[in-house]
Amino acid sequence: NAGVTQTPKFQVLKTGQSMTLQCAQDMNHEYMSWYRQDPGMGLRLIHYSVGAGITDQGEVPNGYNVSRSTTEDFPLRLLSAAPSQTSVYFCASSYSRGAHEQYFGPGTRLTVT
Amino acid sequence: AQSVTQPDIHITVSEGASLELRCNYSYGATPYLFWYVQSPGQGLQLLLKYFSGDTLVQGIKGFEAEFKRSQSSFNLRKPSVHWSDAAEYFCAVGGATSGTYKYIFGTGTRLKVLA
Repeated sequence: NAGVTQTPKFQVLKTGQSMTLQCAQDMNHEYMSWYRQDPGMGLRLIHYSVGAGITDQGEVPNGYNVSRSTTEDFPLRLLSAAPSQTSVYFCASSYSRGAHEQYFGPGTRLTVT
Repeated sequence: AQSVTQPDIHITVSEGASLELRCNYSYGATPYLFWYVQSPGQGLQLLLKYFSGDTLVQGIKGFEAEFKRSQSSFNLRKPSVHWSDAAEYFCAVGGATSGTYKYIFGTGTRLKVLA
């Protein structure tokens, strides 16, 4: 099993550009989520999904869109990149939204200039 | 409001010394508790978890943690630290209150190990 994979690993964008961060898991997990990690702030939840076709907002959803057309894939779209979105982004998956550990991808380091 | 506090931003210990990383939480119900480790440039990896039962839980890499309900704490310990333990450690709390599920991470403790 590859676990949770994310692409790209690094990305530089100019302000106003859009892009999609890819996330895939091969563990047949129902629950997937996107976090951003900033120094001194831990991980903050952007969006999550409890199954194909079902998504919801997390703590910091503004400027991001998600969709979940399959169990395996959960892409994160930046609509119009801003310098405040410079961060490290992690995708995670879990058996359910309940009391289970989350499995994390290796992260995408995004810089917006 | 639910919250997780890791009071120590940085901790430095000598190799072979014991380690305790603190985690305090505020939660309206019995929480599910986790410790994750993040090596530089990597994602988070689960060290251990507590759901119920024995309040002392064992994890990977020789780590253990103790749930103390009266103190709302879930501190991580290791008897003898190895240089490879240098990383950032995150405490997390999960569970449902009032029909809403939350999974909250602390802000992390960065561990430095001196040779």
